[in-house]
Amino acid sequence: DTEVTQTPKHLVMGMTNKKSLKCEQHMGHRAMYWYKQKAKKPPELMFVYSYEKLSINESVPSRFSPECPNSSLLNLHLHALQPEDSALYLCASSQGAIATGSEQYFGPGTRLTVT
Amino acid sequence: SQQGEEDPQALSIQEGENATMNCSYKTSINNLQWYRQNSGRGLVHLILIRSNEREKHSGRLRVTLDTSKKSSSLLITASRAADTASYFCATRGATNKLIFGTGTLLAVQP
Repeated sequence: DTEVTQTPKHLVMGMTNKKSLKCEQHMGHRAMYWYKQKAKKPPELMFVYSYEKLSINESVPSRFSPECPNSSLLNLHLHALQPEDSALYLCASSQGAIATGSEQYFGPGTRLTVT
Repeated sequence: SQQGEEDPQALSIQEGENATMNCSYKTSINNLQWYRQNSGRGLVHLILIRSNEREKHSGRLRVTLDTSKKSSSLLITASRAADTASYFCATRGATNKLIFGTGTLLAVQP
């Protein structure tokens, strides 16, 4: 199984809603990532978990809250988002910890629209 | 912040032709990777070249790396309509974070 899955595929939420994005991998990878990608732009790193511990937070606003319940799962909890947070949210994983520099496997993304 | 700048921003070619994309970066790197993204989808890893390597091949892909010029190129030979996608270079430096370039949108006309 060389797949990273993400749910939901699409999400529309109001600015007062609370929602969660989910990501799962069963490749035994020890690092997992959240990226944000705006239209026609490259992905931008948000968070990195290495061995289930948060190792990088790229100064992301607190309305985004990551969680890594176990080595296969990664969640992104959303609360009080703004319309400018609308984007494609990508999850990725890599075999080693981030320091190994190994290739990353990406999920298909969640298309988020904040109204 | 974006470390890699890619050129051209967009490229349109006929099926069977070769496509070349260039990537320039600013700081020293451990490795450079190329990814493909079909419209609105996740990224797919294509190839990784380490800082001590100069050229690497994978199928119809050829990647070169010139660390003295801080640049890399991706050549896709005998292109197919299915190669239509955005291509991103990504560099991994001292912080070990993957920083993506601005991307090249490739359109292969059948």
